[in-house]
Amino acid sequence: LAKTTQPISMDSYEGQEVNITCSHNNIATNDYITWYQQFPSQGPRFIIQGYKTKVTNEVASLFIPADRKSSTLSLPRVSLSDTAVYYCLVGTFHGGATNKLIFGTGTLLAVQP
Amino acid sequence: DAMVIQNPRYQVTQFGKPVTLSCSQTLNHNVMYWYQQKSSQAPKLLFHYYDKDFNNEADTPDNFQSRRPNTSFCFLDIRSPGLGDAAMYLCATSSQLGTMGASTYGYTFGSGTRLTVV
Repeated sequence: LAKTTQPISMDSYEGQEVNITCSHNNIATNDYITWYQQFPSQGPRFIIQGYKTKVTNEVASLFIPADRKSSTLSLPRVSLSDTAVYYCLVGTFHGGATNKLIFGTGTLLAVQP
Repeated sequence: DAMVIQNPRYQVTQFGKPVTLSCSQTLNHNVMYWYQQKSSQAPKLLFHYYDKDFNNEADTPDNFQSRRPNTSFCFLDIRSPGLGDAAMYLCATSSQLGTMGASTYGYTFGSGTRLTVV
């Protein structure tokens, strides 16, 4: 499974756009990139997943360059409630007993008023 | 709503006294996972069930066992809890297909059980 590297922490202010970058230099051809959000004392929650280029949903955008060795999670206009740990995961999501999520260190995003 | 439910939300057990944590799901997902998350750390995978097949992680201590009597339920048994086993235990599910290239990103996590060992 490809290892991921993220900043340990980031600070932002309400209303700003936040970009969290994740490095995954040894990503495999079949690997997808997935981001999860975790609030204190709760389980992680799926945010977004992509394979290449750009993916957008109602909460975030995911930018993946052509070489796929990194990805950037973009959160538009963050609020205090976006304060959480954000995990970048890389893995192949197809059938088989080896399909499993291995979490890296994550990025603690702290949003200030 | 379909979901993953963990009971209890908080569990206090005595040092060395066996304890069981439970997880149920209404998603009809075929894969269920148990993660251990200690304070300020990322979740660590202990084991998972792919249908009825149990898959243990290499570094999961023998003190941790699991049972999956049916699709909906999965249990985590800690035979002799130590102080170092105090953590949040997370259950997750996913639906994984047997064909190559089928992507499913919908890992659904429960809210976790916070275990305290006294």
